[in-house]
Amino acid sequence: DTGVSQDPRHKITKRGQNVTFRCDPISEHNRLYWYRQTLGQGPEFLTYFQNEAQLEKSRLLSDRFSAERPKGSFSTLEIQRTEQGDSAMYLCASSLVAGYRNEKLFFGSGTQLSVL
Amino acid sequence: SQKIEQNSEALNIQEGKTATLTCNYTNYSPAYLQWYRQDPGRGPVFLLLIRENEKEKRKERLKVTFDTTLKQSLFHITASQPADSATYLCALGYTGFQKLVFGTGTRLLVSP
Repeated sequence: DTGVSQDPRHKITKRGQNVTFRCDPISEHNRLYWYRQTLGQGPEFLTYFQNEAQLEKSRLLSDRFSAERPKGSFSTLEIQRTEQGDSAMYLCASSLVAGYRNEKLFFGSGTQLSVL
Repeated sequence: SQKIEQNSEALNIQEGKTATLTCNYTNYSPAYLQWYRQDPGRGPVFLLLIRENEKEKRKERLKVTFDTTLKQSLFHITASQPADSATYLCALGYTGFQKLVFGTGTRLLVSP
């Protein structure tokens, strides 16, 4: 399977704990996105990388959130000192972008986070 | 800020009929608009993209229209099947902005 993979699929944690999610994009894709989705809502943009550079972060992304994409391959999203409001599905997506044209996103199956 | 409206109520139709889903937006017209399908517990899957200078796009049983005057896109599934039951999301893209802005989605239920 050469799609976008995310790990873990589910994470249950206690409030105040740190969690880290991993995303492996489609190998030839140069752009990687993180979105967050809560029940009944559409995905909300968090951040994106072009190769290894993090080029934009949403105001939704508080100081407790950090994302990395070392060497422009896989990416990690860490949430420190989790809060119950962080409970959501965290979606990773990748795309191949040439110039200024942005095309379709390929999403992973997401990591469902539950903060107790 | 941009507001995207999709019917929050589920759309129930009978198998074989045409399903029509609506995506309305306010303020700024996007450079392009995309439609995605999402099944429960899964990530969205891309279906169609239509650009601001295109009126209509088709792919098999799917058709998308884009009216920048009405600030609306319509998504049609003809000869619908129970397997088409899912949530359908519209997403707007803007020149110079590298992220998609998603609507809340509309749930489609196709009964046999």
